[in-house]
Amino acid sequence: SYVLTQPPSVSVAPGQTARITCGGNNIGSKSVHWYQQKPGQAPVLVVYDDSDRPSGIPERFSGSNSGNTATLTISRVEAGDEADYYCQVWDSSSDHCVVFGGGTKLTVL
Amino acid sequence: QVQLQESGPGLVKPSETLSLTCAVSGYSISSGYYWGWIRQPPGKGLEWIGSIYHSGSTYYNPSLKSRVTISVDTSKNQFSLKLSSVTAADTAVYYCARLRDYGDYYFDYWGQGTLVTVSS
Repeated sequence: SYVLTQPPSVSVAPGQTARITCGGNNIGSKSVHWYQQKPGQAPVLVVYDDSDRPSGIPERFSGSNSGNTATLTISRVEAGDEADYYCQVWDSSSDHCVVFGGGTKLTVL
Repeated sequence: QVQLQESGPGLVKPSETLSLTCAVSGYSISSGYYWGWIRQPPGKGLEWIGSIYHSGSTYYNPSLKSRVTISVDTSKNQFSLKLSSVTAADTAVYYCARLRDYGDYYFDYWGQGTLVTVSS
């Protein structure tokens, strides 16, 4: 089965840029989606199809995907961005599965 | 605005079957899309359980497939999850969500989640 690897934690100072990676075998050939989850809340889609943003998501959130790594970039980080972030792909190679990464805790210093 | 609401027992005994229902409002399940279940054990990450199309076609997580049944009731605009032979490892917050399948597959609307504890 397909595996997505995320760093457990990323720390950044307010106003700086946070980059959260999601590694997978030839992930650049897949579409990657990103969710933000704050404590006690359901996940919220922040980026879909590698780099598109749903309505209402700030332009500070962007994504890229190439080779074996997809990246969620949060510019001008704010205290309210502190949350867990999960990447997700659809693996159609065998079992037709939704696959989530293990999640990354973003800490705003 | 699409809204999803999970319901079901918050406590299930080991070896029994966990049953949850997701009521959908603001969108007719019969109109399309897949609908899915995702769970999150306390302090851990997200795990996809499975998804169902309005026609009844299903995809399941291979690691749970032998214990999972997802069904849909278009007349009530809801879908359901059954997980059999539960153990303490099945204790989690269970979310239902809409799986958008235009282009690629991702969850665009989520329920608030419901905590299910497996304990005697």
